[in-house]
This record gives sequence, structure tokens and C-alpha cells, in this order.
Amino acid sequence: DAGITQSPRHKVTETGTPVTLRCHQTENHRYMYWYRQDPGHGLRLIHYSYGVKDTDKGEVSDGYSVSRSKTEDFLLTLESATSSQTSVYFCAISALDGGTEAFFGQGTRLTVV
Amino acid sequence: AQSVTQLGSHVSVSEGALVLLRCNYSSSVPPYLFWYVQYPNQGLQLLLKYTSAATLVKGINGFEAEFKKSETSFHLTKPSAHMSDAAEYFCAVSVKPAGRRALTFGSGTRLQVQP
Repeated sequence: DAGITQSPRHKVTETGTPVTLRCHQTENHRYMYWYRQDPGHGLRLIHYSYGVKDTDKGEVSDGYSVSRSKTEDFLLTLESATSSQTSVYFCAISALDGGTEAFFGQGTRLTVV
Repeated sequence: AQSVTQLGSHVSVSEGALVLLRCNYSSSVPPYLFWYVQYPNQGLQLLLKYTSAATLVKGINGFEAEFKKSETSFHLTKPSAHMSDAAEYFCAVSVKPAGRRALTFGSGTRLQVQP
């Protein structure tokens, strides 16, 4: 298995609070991605990174920000959590561009109450 | 922009029967195509990928998929379903040259295998 660790694995938070999810990799892959998974929508891209301090928005980036200060860590922040951000969040990594053969973490289940 | 359509959000087959999960893609440039599987409470695992070599791609667990450019399809098949195949399956597309792109996923198909 690819060395990807997401933390926390489960979190319940209140509306309006900031939340940070962490993705840590030990593969030294250049590309990292954050997706959210919701029933009927598959996985939708939130943000991605193609190198340290190089990030870009995905299709559902509103209300989210990211940071990548080291190759191995990619942080996703919900600036002020809303109930619509209740979801399962997946981090993925890829050695090649285009997400070619991306490897996924185990996911973080976030509930906003 | 690329997109993926998976026909059928739920598919039910009997154990030993043929599995056919449908995927159609839209892409203005040559695509990379993937099938991933997700078991309950787990992340996604790559089943197989098409990257412009052979059009018939064999993956893990006896699955295979055929790239048909004329039909813009990449359907996933397995000759004989096992109970352990029950999971959710996602088709995904990327493009060549990919640049700084990510995978685009379909909405998924949940496969149920009846004894």
C-alpha cells in the first residue's frame, strides 16, 4: 500500500468553526489532491498541488483552502464549516501528472452539526 | 473539459454471472482511463488503467476493460462474479498531455452480488 495517512479519520465539528484535515505521504510523490465523496456525485476535486507551495483550485473549492509547505504534507482547511461540507474527504497522491495512477488514503469522515 | 458517465448507480448480479459495469467518457483529446474499486469504509484501489497501449486491459481480481474510441466507452467486465466483488466501482478519466490536471470521476456504480 502507498504510504498515505489521513488525520483525523473521523471528526464532528460545529457550524462556523475552522477545521483542518491533514494528508501525509511517505512516497515523495509530487502531486497531491483533495477530493470529497458524496452519494450520487462520486469524487469531486477540491484542490490539488503540483509541488511545494504550488496549488490550484478544483471544481468545488469554495469554502476550502489548502497549504503545502513540505512535499509530504498537504493540509485542507475549512475556513468556517457548514453543514454542506459534511462529507468523506479523500487525499490522493500521484507521481505523474494528470493523476495517473493516483493512490488514495483511507478517508476522513467529517460531520458538521 | 473531460467528463465521465456511469450508467446505473446500482447493479445486481448472481454469484457466477457476468459482471458488466458501463462507463462512457467525453474528452477532446486522447484520454487516460481508469477503474477504481471502493470497499466499505475504505479508500479507492486501482483495478486497471488504459494509457494507449492495448485496448483490452486486464486488471486485478479477474476484471478487464476494453477501450472503444468509436463508442467513447470503457466498460468493465468480469466473466464470473464472486461475493467478494460486492463494492462500489468508479470510472475516471484524465487527458494527454495531462499538464496539471487531476482525475475526473464518474458518480459510481454499486455492485451487489446475490448468492
